[in-house]
Amino acid sequence: GENVEQHPSTLSVQEGDSAVIKCTYSDSASNYFPWYKQELGKRPQLIIDIRSNVGEKKDQRIAVTLNKTAKHFSLHITETQPEDSAVYFCAASIRDFGNEKLTFGTGTRLTIIP
Amino acid sequence: NAGVTQTPKFQVLKTGQSMTLQCAQDMNHEYMSWYRQDPGMGLRLIHYSVGAGITDQGEVPNGYNVSRSTTEDFPLRLLSAAPSQTSVYFCASRYRVGGYTFGSGTRLTVV
Repeated sequence: GENVEQHPSTLSVQEGDSAVIKCTYSDSASNYFPWYKQELGKRPQLIIDIRSNVGEKKDQRIAVTLNKTAKHFSLHITETQPEDSAVYFCAASIRDFGNEKLTFGTGTRLTIIP
Repeated sequence: NAGVTQTPKFQVLKTGQSMTLQCAQDMNHEYMSWYRQDPGMGLRLIHYSVGAGITDQGEVPNGYNVSRSTTEDFPLRLLSAAPSQTSVYFCASRYRVGGYTFGSGTRLTVV
């Protein structure tokens, strides 16, 4: 089955600086890569996703890049703010009808230092 | 829209007891899944469903059963609770495209 590795497990950055979280996946058939943000005691929430036919996607201060050849994808947060502090999870799956096995990484705890 | 509703929010069980975690969504989503979240291990898929009457196993299905008799409901049954099932359980649903919407979770402790 799919295996997703996520690094680093913890990350501290100064407010206003950029943060980068990296993930690798094992199954070359995976074609859907979402990122979720989970604040303390809350539910995970989708912040951005990318499909394998796209190399990069941006949404305001958040961007995701995908390298299919190397089987890795990254989350980039620019101009970080205190409300960006949370645990971030990457995930990978094969988006075909009948297959719904979304595999998550182990998470990155991001702390923004004021 | 209430989104994805999970009940109960907290539960304490004794070893060997059984119980059902409820999950309901009012968004007419076809896909529904159950995850458990343990410290340092991310979210692991227990069971999932791609539509009413269709369910399949995820990564960690042992000790759990599911059914999907309607589009709206996807209950998770613990057959005989064990301390290893102490965890936070999340139900999630999605439409054909887009990401999952998660419920608020059930914190389960088995003593």
